[in-house]
Amino acid sequence: DVKVTQSSRYLVKRTGEKVFLECVQDMDHENMFWYRQDPGLGLRLIYFSYDVKMKEKGDIPEGYSVSREKKERFSLILESASTNQTSMYLCASSLDGNCKETQYFGPGTRLLVL
Amino acid sequence: DAKTTQPNSMESNEEEPVHLPCNHSTISGTDYIHWYRQLPSQGPEYVIHGLTSNVNNRMASLAIAEDRKSSTLILHRATLRDAAVYYCIRCRGNQGGKLIFGQGTELSVKP
Repeated sequence: DVKVTQSSRYLVKRTGEKVFLECVQDMDHENMFWYRQDPGLGLRLIYFSYDVKMKEKGDIPEGYSVSREKKERFSLILESASTNQTSMYLCASSLDGNCKETQYFGPGTRLLVL
Repeated sequence: DAKTTQPNSMESNEEEPVHLPCNHSTISGTDYIHWYRQLPSQGPEYVIHGLTSNVNNRMASLAIAEDRKSSTLILHRATLRDAAVYYCIRCRGNQGGKLIFGQGTELSVKP
C-alpha cells in the first residue's frame, strides 16, 4: 500500500513565523502535490512537483514556496505566516502526471495561524 | 478552469444503490473524470476514474454520458462506511495530471 505521511496533524503558529510542512511518500512516485482545503472553497492546488528540484505553480501559490531535494520528500514553506493561511493542508503523490494514475493523499495538517 | 457541479448533499438507505450525479459541461477532450471521497478527518481517497467508457471496479461504477458533459458515480449497495463527501473531479491530462476539485456531495447513509 502507498503511504503518504505528513509531519504534523495539528500545528499552531504565530503571524510572521516561517512554517515548514513536510510530506513523505514511500512508493517512488514522480509527482507530488500540495493542496489546501477550506470550507466553501474545496481543495485548491498550491504547488506540484514532477521531479526532484522541479516545481510548478498551482492555482494559489502566493505566499508559499516548495522544496523537493529528494524524490520521496516534498516540503511546503510559508515564508511569513499570516492568519489567512489558517487551513487544512493536504499532500498527495502519484506515479506520474498521467491522468490514468491516481493521487494518494496524506492525512492532512491542520494549521492555525494566530 | 471550470469546476464540476454536484448536489451539496444526498441521502441513502443502507443496502440500497446510490447514484451521485455530476455535471462537467465544459470538459475538454483530454480531461479524465475522477471520483474521490473524503471521510471525516482524513485525506481524499480514490474511488474510480474514466475518460469515455463506463468503468467498474470493486468500489463503484462510473457511467459517463456519451457527450461527456455529465457522469454518475454508482455505489451498488451503500453501507454506513460509505458516508463521506464525494468529489467529482476533472483531471487535466495536458497539465501534469492536475486535479480540479468541485465542492463535492455529502452522502449520508441511514441504517
